Amino acid sequence: SQQGEEDPQALSIQEGENATMNCSYKTSINNLQWYRQNSGRGLVHLILIRSNEREKHSGRLRVTLDTSKKSSSLLITASRAADTASYFCATPLPLNAGGTSYGKLTFGQGTILTVHP
Amino acid sequence: DTGVSQNPRHKITKRGQNVTFRCDPISEHNRLYWYRQTLGQGPEFLTYFQNEAQLEKSRLLSDRFSAERPKGSFSTLEIQRTEQGDSAMYLCASSLAKARGATNEKLFFGSGTQLSVL
Repeated sequence: SQQGEEDPQALSIQEGENATMNCSYKTSINNLQWYRQNSGRGLVHLILIRSNEREKHSGRLRVTLDTSKKSSSLLITASRAADTASYFCATPLPLNAGGTSYGKLTFGQGTILTVHP
Repeated sequence: DTGVSQNPRHKITKRGQNVTFRCDPISEHNRLYWYRQTLGQGPEFLTYFQNEAQLEKSRLLSDRFSAERPKGSFSTLEIQRTEQGDSAMYLCASSLAKARGATNEKLFFGSGTQLSVL
């Protein structure tokens, strides 16, 4: 089963607007990652936020993490048509998951973002 | 190009045939992952390797699926007796884990192999 769930499933905005996507997860984590996927391509890592961090920035990206609510958000500011893609949050199973599951990332179903020029 | 390479990009096969996909990870990466993704869904974990050792297999991976990473470099994923339900994008990813229990590394993905079973 998927660890993370993104919301909304689809988001359509105009160029220049901000886009916010949310992710909820179920188990304790030590980090959360966001990936982007263009249609028919592989995923590209965007940003990693550790469990002891509350906010992180990278260019036009801003990620927040609330471990008490088990949720994260990805904000893309001043969106561009080229930002059109699917966005996924991903979390590794915690070390206490046992066995050899260290580092295995589980992905949510993603948010499809469409930015209209 | 020093990224993750997957071949072929597309594979069309008839039900019941065997198919094999290849993944060449980034050369210094010690971990290699296989994921499967269907339309509108996120990637689902299939299996992963640390060097040449296969550490975990998902319950999604039936006995018809086998993966190898013989020398800790490239990996192959074979599907025997393909079924229409196997149609999906098969994604390979690699990462550099600095310790056995490391969980902070980011994954580098290939462009995937799109499998269509007719």
